[in-house]
Amino acid sequence: DTEVTQTPKHLVMGMTNKKSLKCEQHMGHRAMYWYKQKAKKPPELMFVYSYEKLSINESVPSRFSPECPNSSLLNLHLHALQPEDSALYLCASSQGTGNTQYFGPGTRLTVL
Amino acid sequence: EDQVTQSPEALRLQEGESSSLNCSYTVSGLRGLFWYRQDPGKGPEFLFTLYSAGEEKEKERLKATLTKKESFLHITAPKPEDSATYLCAVRDNYGQNFVFGPGTRLSVLP
Repeated sequence: DTEVTQTPKHLVMGMTNKKSLKCEQHMGHRAMYWYKQKAKKPPELMFVYSYEKLSINESVPSRFSPECPNSSLLNLHLHALQPEDSALYLCASSQGTGNTQYFGPGTRLTVL
Repeated sequence: EDQVTQSPEALRLQEGESSSLNCSYTVSGLRGLFWYRQDPGKGPEFLFTLYSAGEEKEKERLKATLTKKESFLHITAPKPEDSATYLCAVRDNYGQNFVFGPGTRLSVLP
C-alpha cells in the first residue's frame, strides 16, 4: 500500500482566515514533505520532516507553519495568506530522505 | 547546481503512435532518477526509479532507460488514458531533495 491521504480536497479561504491542511501515511515512512505546485509548473519543495523533526525549510514565509505531531501525520497551518498563495498543495512521504517519494492527491487552495 | 530539463515541452500523439520523452540532467553524482505521471489537479503518481546507467524498467506500455546524462521514457502504442504530464526528478550525492524537471505534457488522441 503506497497511499498518502490529504484533507481537505479543496479549500477556499480569505486573507484573514486560519486554516490547516492535513496529511497522513501508514507506510511506516520516516520522511514527509510539503510541496506547492502552481499550474503548469513542477512541484516546489516547502518543508521536509525527517523522524518528526523539521530538517529543511526552503525559505517559506512564516504565514505557512508546518507541524509533525507523529510519524504518520503532517499538518500545514495557514494564516494571513495572500492570493498568490493559491495553488495545489502536495504532501509526500518516503522511507527516508532521498528515497522514492509517494505523493498524496493534493489540496486545491484558493485564497480570496 | 543540479539541473533537470525535459523535452519536448508538449507532445501530441495519435493512439498507437509510439514515442519517447527525454529527461536530461546535470548533477554532482546521481543517486536516483525518478519518473512520475501527473493528471491535472492530482498528485504525481510514481512510475519508476533508476539508479545507474544502463538500467531499464518497464510497466505496461512504459519503459524507462538511463544513461550518464539523460533518461528516456518510451511509450509503446499509447492509449488516450496515457495522456498526462510526465515529470522526472533527480537526487544527487549531497542533497536530500529531489530536483524536478518542468515536465512533458502528453496528449494521446483517439
